[in-house]
Amino acid sequence: AQSVTQLGSHVSVSEGALVLLRCNYSSSVPPYLFWYVQYPNQGLQLLLKYTTGATLVKGINGFEAEFKKSETSFHLTKPSAHMSDAAEYFCAGGGDKAAGNKLTFGGGTRVLVKP
Amino acid sequence: NAGVTQTPKFQVLKTGQSMTLQCAQDMNHNSMYWYRQDPGMGLRLIYYSASEGTTDKGEVPNGYNVSRLNKREFSLRLESAAPSQTSVYFCASRIGLTEAFFGQGTRLTVV
Repeated sequence: AQSVTQLGSHVSVSEGALVLLRCNYSSSVPPYLFWYVQYPNQGLQLLLKYTTGATLVKGINGFEAEFKKSETSFHLTKPSAHMSDAAEYFCAGGGDKAAGNKLTFGGGTRVLVKP
Repeated sequence: NAGVTQTPKFQVLKTGQSMTLQCAQDMNHNSMYWYRQDPGMGLRLIYYSASEGTTDKGEVPNGYNVSRLNKREFSLRLESAAPSQTSVYFCASRIGLTEAFFGQGTRLTVV
């Protein structure tokens, strides 16, 4: 069964500093991996996705993530944090048709941006 | 193009009452999902439907039932609501193994 783990439930960064959110997965099949963002009282919005091909994936709002099979990781980064990046971020995985296309989420990381 | 539509957006129930959360998608997606979101616990899968005519349990199915009415609609029913079911519920859909699209959520309070 696939599982997704996010390290750190809360991250605090200064405006202009690097944002790094960690995600590790376990899967018996090649994973399809996603990062979502959730702003207060809203639904989830896709930031970026890895399916096949290039391991460095660029998303919206200046975010990117790198798929590292050897480390079973899919960490999300943004070089320079902006106040508008304050939100909760979720890593998700799901690439197993035999498991009914289930999409499994990590516990989420809430990002606080300090001025 | 409305995407994924959930109704209602807010609901307060008394313990023991029943209700159905409705979800509809207009993207011709084959898979649909119900999640609940609780503080510090991320999104937990309640039930999912990989395709029309099939439903399966997720991580936390107890106390819930689902119906995949047709390809567009996937409803979640609470037969006898309990305070532990106070949560925010999200419906999502996807096609194949691509990204899922989410509704805006239903905020449910059971008193």
